[in-house]
Order: sequence, then structure tokens, then C-alpha cells
Amino acid sequence: DVVLTQTPPTLSATIGQSVSISCRSSQSLLHSNGNTYLHWLLQRPGQSPQLLIYSVSRLESGVPNRFSGSGSGTDFTLKISGVEAEDLGVYYCVQGTHAPHTFGAGTKLELK
Amino acid sequence: QVQLKESGPGLVQPSQTLSLTCTVSGFSLTSYNVHWVRQPPGKGLEWMGRMRYNGDTSYNSALKSRLSISRDTSKNQVFLKMNSLQTDDTGTYYCTRAVRYGVMDAWGQGASVTVSS
Repeated sequence: DVVLTQTPPTLSATIGQSVSISCRSSQSLLHSNGNTYLHWLLQRPGQSPQLLIYSVSRLESGVPNRFSGSGSGTDFTLKISGVEAEDLGVYYCVQGTHAPHTFGAGTKLELK
Repeated sequence: QVQLKESGPGLVQPSQTLSLTCTVSGFSLTSYNVHWVRQPPGKGLEWMGRMRYNGDTSYNSALKSRLSISRDTSKNQVFLKMNSLQTDDTGTYYCTRAVRYGVMDAWGQGASVTVSS
């Protein structure tokens, strides 16, 4: 199975600070159809996960554009340009290129 | 409005079978995939398995021998059954809609399951 390694496990930020989360895959996530199926989810405290970004860099409808995703192959990054209080929670990367789908262990974003 | 709602017993005895139902609205089960994802208390997410729009299923290999996913399209429901439950199966179980390739764009509220005697 594909292993997704997220770093850092915990991230402390102040409001307005820009932060980045890394997701590294044990194998390339480039699908034979030419697309890369690496997605990002946010789970706020006490809530279900929600989709933020899909296919590396496509912003889900309704998600603020301070969130952005980048990367290719095995290395991917989620960036938040100006953290807001509502962004606190645990961020997960998930891959859909290879069966079975797998999740990263999560990165907890907390206020400094 | 797309909605998913999990239902089932909150408490299951060890070695028994867990049965959960995911009732969906706002979309058709013949057009979207539905996945099951679980989360042990205080831990991360684990993909369990999937019911595809065409009725095909796939499972996490670690759970495959214990897990079954089925559906009733007339009732807009997807079912999860997992046998031989142990205490480490305790957690929150989510059903989630997926457009394709793991793009899980809508989630249920989760069903809390405790395995205990």
C-alpha cells in the first residue's frame, strides 16, 4: 500500500502567518491517465473531515483561496497564506491513484 | 442538498458483528461512489472500503476478510457489515461520497461505535 508521510505532525501558527504542510508518498501518484490524485482534507475539532483541495491543486467549491496546493510525483505541499482562526484543526492528505486509498497521519494546526 | 447520515448501534460486544447504514440524499448511488472511513479515538483516518456507482466493491486488504459493503439503491442506502469485532475497532465510522479517484467531497456526521462487553 502507498504510505503518505506528513510533516510536521504539529504546526503552531499565529493569525495571519503563512504555513506549509508537506505530504510525501512512498510511490509516484501520477496515474496512467496522466492525472495525479492527491487531495487535502481538513478536520476541525469535533467535526467530520471536509475536502479542501483535490487533484493536487484544485480548490473545492467554497474553500477560501488562501489555501493552495502544489507538487508532483511523490512530493506535495498544502499552503495556507494567512492563517485564520477557522483554519485550526487536523489536515490530512489522501491519495486516490493507487488501490487502496490511503491517508497521511495528519498535521495538527494550532494557535501559537 | 447532498447529505449522508450514518446509523447503527453505538455499542457492540467483542466478537460480534457491526452493522451500519449510510442513508444518502441529494444524489444518486448509481452516479457516485460511497466510501467508508473510520477513525479510532484521537487518531487518524483509515480507509475501509468502497461501493462504486456501478455496484462494484473494493476493500482495505487489512479488513477484507471481515468486511462487507452492499447497497439498496431503491432506499438510497449503503451498508457496512464487519464481523469479529475487537476493542481496537472502537471509533467513529464515516460514510463519504466520492466523485472519482478518492475525491471525497461530502461526509456524514459519523457514527460512534464502542466495542466493549
